[in-house]
Amino acid sequence: KAGVTQTPRYLIKTRGQQVTLSCSPISGHRSVSWYQQTPGQGLQFLFEYFSETQRNKGNFPGRFSGRQFSNSRSEMNVSTLELGDSALYLCASSLVELAGGHEQYFGPGTRLTVT
Amino acid sequence: AQSVTQLDSHVSVSEGTPVLLRCNYSSSYSPSLFWYVQHPNKGLQLLLKYTSAATLVKGINGFEAEFKKSETSFHLTKPSAHMSDAAEYFCVVTANSNSGYALNFGKGTSLLVTP
Repeated sequence: KAGVTQTPRYLIKTRGQQVTLSCSPISGHRSVSWYQQTPGQGLQFLFEYFSETQRNKGNFPGRFSGRQFSNSRSEMNVSTLELGDSALYLCASSLVELAGGHEQYFGPGTRLTVT
Repeated sequence: AQSVTQLDSHVSVSEGTPVLLRCNYSSSYSPSLFWYVQHPNKGLQLLLKYTSAATLVKGINGFEAEFKKSETSFHLTKPSAHMSDAAEYFCVVTANSNSGYALNFGKGTSLLVTP
């Protein structure tokens, strides 16, 4: 069974631009979560989507948004990029929603650099 | 409120010696606890999880962890370290509360294995 895939793997953007990252979960998984990983803040939860609905949200500004499609694929969008948005963005999928206590399977991440 | 603390940011062991990575948590509700490992430039991989079944949990690659409610700890151990164990390890606590689902990652422990 194929794992979680994320595209693109690397991205360089300029301040003020917007970016869209994509995540394809493991086949059959309906929950997709997004995380930001930085050396200073560590791993921080952005949000979770399940059955095309946002189920949980971390403490991030509204510039960070996402959506999930009927095939469970998910996209994350960051508008008006700031230098501090430079990070590794990880996507994880789970069979059911996170509140069920199930484990997550992570993709390799998208490395975003904002200049 | 819920939180997780990994007590050591760096741990260094010799190959063949035991590994102990410490994790303490606080949660007002019955938590689920996980350990994940992240190798350089890779996504996170689940090592093991605790979800209120047996308190001693066995994971992959010879790792295990013991849930101790009285000490609010979930330390990760391995009897004999291998060079391939060198990586970043994350302790994660999740719980359903009255205000919704919460998920917290520890800051991570970097494990160095020397020959």
